[in-house]
Amino acid sequence: DTGVSQDPRHKITKRGQNVTFRCDPISEHNRLYWYRQTLGQGPEFLTYFQNEAQLEKSRLLSDRFSAERPKGSFSTLEIQRTEQGDSAMYLCASSPQGARAEAFFGQGTRLTVV
Amino acid sequence: GIQVEQSPPDLILQEGANSTLRCNFSDSVNNLQWFHQNPWGQLINLFYIPSGTKQNGRLSATTVATERYSLLYISSSQTTDSGVYFCAVEPRATNKLIFGTGTLLAVQP
Repeated sequence: DTGVSQDPRHKITKRGQNVTFRCDPISEHNRLYWYRQTLGQGPEFLTYFQNEAQLEKSRLLSDRFSAERPKGSFSTLEIQRTEQGDSAMYLCASSPQGARAEAFFGQGTRLTVV
Repeated sequence: GIQVEQSPPDLILQEGANSTLRCNFSDSVNNLQWFHQNPWGQLINLFYIPSGTKQNGRLSATTVATERYSLLYISSSQTTDSGVYFCAVEPRATNKLIFGTGTLLAVQP
């Protein structure tokens, strides 16, 4: 296993289009996280899955955003009707379950909405 | 919610110099991690250090959980150390990391 994998690495889309990103976590990790990072800021939490259950969503995750992890393995993050303010780096992380579990991040998907 | 502050915000070093980066957090945490974000945006794990001291080559870190701070030491800095360093904490009763404001490090040859 080579770590957390995200696809695509870059996405340019026109305003109003829908986009979907994929994240494949480290295989034995049952926790999966999505974060968003804008220029000059630290990553901000969006949502978190334990296995297939989505256990927490940030207020940042508007109703245009939806995340799924249907079989408790890979996850998708969809943004509908994209806006220029959605331009950011979208980061996925995974960790094993447990009270003290180290999280590992993927390379990220850089989204540009034009 | 918990506040995570890092200092200094920016740091310029000459190659070979040593530095200390600080992370203060406002509440008790389960976990603390240090990351280096490379120019391509990937977060590279440096330390998982909820308490105590760890060393890895030229880098070491110390977390004093009772006093709510962590320090990252970089010795004999190299140009490849340049980038943004983030501290991230997992507050108690949550399962998510809250990131600090970051320290932008530039190491000049």
